[in-house]
Amino acid sequence: NAGVMQNPRHLVRRRGQEARLRCSPMKGHSHVYWYRQLPEEGLKFMVYLQKENIIDESGMPKERFSAEFPKEGPSILRIQQVVRGDSAAYFCASSRERGNTGELFFGEGSRLTVL
Amino acid sequence: AQSVTQLDSQVPVFEEAPVELRCNYSSSVSVYLFWYVQYPNQGLQLLLKYLSGSTLVKGINGFEAEFNKSQTSFHLRKPSVHISDTAEYFCAVIFRSNDYKLSFGAGTTVTVRA
Repeated sequence: NAGVMQNPRHLVRRRGQEARLRCSPMKGHSHVYWYRQLPEEGLKFMVYLQKENIIDESGMPKERFSAEFPKEGPSILRIQQVVRGDSAAYFCASSRERGNTGELFFGEGSRLTVL
Repeated sequence: AQSVTQLDSQVPVFEEAPVELRCNYSSSVSVYLFWYVQYPNQGLQLLLKYLSGSTLVKGINGFEAEFNKSQTSFHLRKPSVHISDTAEYFCAVIFRSNDYKLSFGAGTTVTVRA
């Protein structure tokens, strides 16, 4: 009974490289959410996806960040040309229905360090 | 403006003592309220939630929280903590104008000492 699986758990990149973070939702869940936690701050909403659709990307930075949730396979959060300010923990969550009662199941997070 | 504030960043507490973690929010719309816990090296886990009805909500592991609408607070309590309660605790709010986005506080780290 696997929960939300994120990988890699830790990722180190140099400035200018690309980072790809993967999230496999719980079985039967078709709604995926990405949140970012900067040091000393709470989690901030980034994007909400359903299979093959981006529903709400209002929390995504306008440049360099993109997300997808293909019909097959995990959801991917992609950060191009990383900068030091991208260093953070990135959490994925999933839900069976649209998460309006907070029944989100979170992964353990992917911790990105940009050198 | 809508915001969530956890007033304490660190709370040290002795085993079997009570603990209260404070959470206040600012909103002009009605809200759903949540507490999540993150144990070391794990994902966030829902402790309890308030959607409607009784303002006293009981959750897992002996935690409870009380919604106070006039004070816009949702403080978390446990009468007697265990070493295993050492974790980071996050208060979160869904402002009903954004019905799926959780807005989180900055978190409170609880360290339980023997």
